[in-house]
Amino acid sequence: ELKVEQNPLFLSMQEGKNYTIYCNYSTTSDRLYWYRQDPGKSLESLFVLLSNGAVKQEGRLMASLDTKARLSTLHITAAVHDLSATYFCAVFGGSQGNLIFGKGTKLSVKP
Amino acid sequence: DVKVTQSSRYLVKRTGEKVFLECVQDMDHENMFWYRQDPGLGLRLIYFSYDVKMKEKGDIPEGYSVSREKKERFSLILESASTNQTSMYLCASSPLSSYNEQFFGPGTRLTVL
Repeated sequence: ELKVEQNPLFLSMQEGKNYTIYCNYSTTSDRLYWYRQDPGKSLESLFVLLSNGAVKQEGRLMASLDTKARLSTLHITAAVHDLSATYFCAVFGGSQGNLIFGKGTKLSVKP
Repeated sequence: DVKVTQSSRYLVKRTGEKVFLECVQDMDHENMFWYRQDPGLGLRLIYFSYDVKMKEKGDIPEGYSVSREKKERFSLILESASTNQTSMYLCASSPLSSYNEQFFGPGTRLTVL
């Protein structure tokens, strides 16, 4: 059974600092997705990572995938308040080929 | 842009009522999904559908049923609502492709009293 673990679950950062969110998964998969959710809102797709070594960047966020280590990272560079949100990773490959989501990392960026 | 809409943003129902949550997507996606989201539990898959009139149970189907009579519409039905079904319900759709990226609707916050 595929399990997806994110850490940390809560992250309080100061503006301007760097940090990394980790997403580990338990069985082989070559497709991983990162989503952002603002309070009271739905999930917005950030990155789709489709192969080992894939790296994608958008603004201050960079995501990477290491399928051999079964690990994806979401790196935040020089955080700003607008990045405050909950970030979810999801891995393709549940028992019926659906996505399995991590529990989410609630990020709070303080001035 | 992909657009997934849900019939209500907020819904309040009483225990025992039959509840319908509607989801419509406009991108001709084959796959549609219903999740519930609860604090500390993340997103959990209730049901999904790969085609019209097809449905598959997800991780927590108990107390729910679904209907997909048309490709663009996927309905979640609570046959007899209970207080433990108070939650945020999210609908998603995805194309039948290697990407499988799911696109989410705005969510329905259901309260069962």
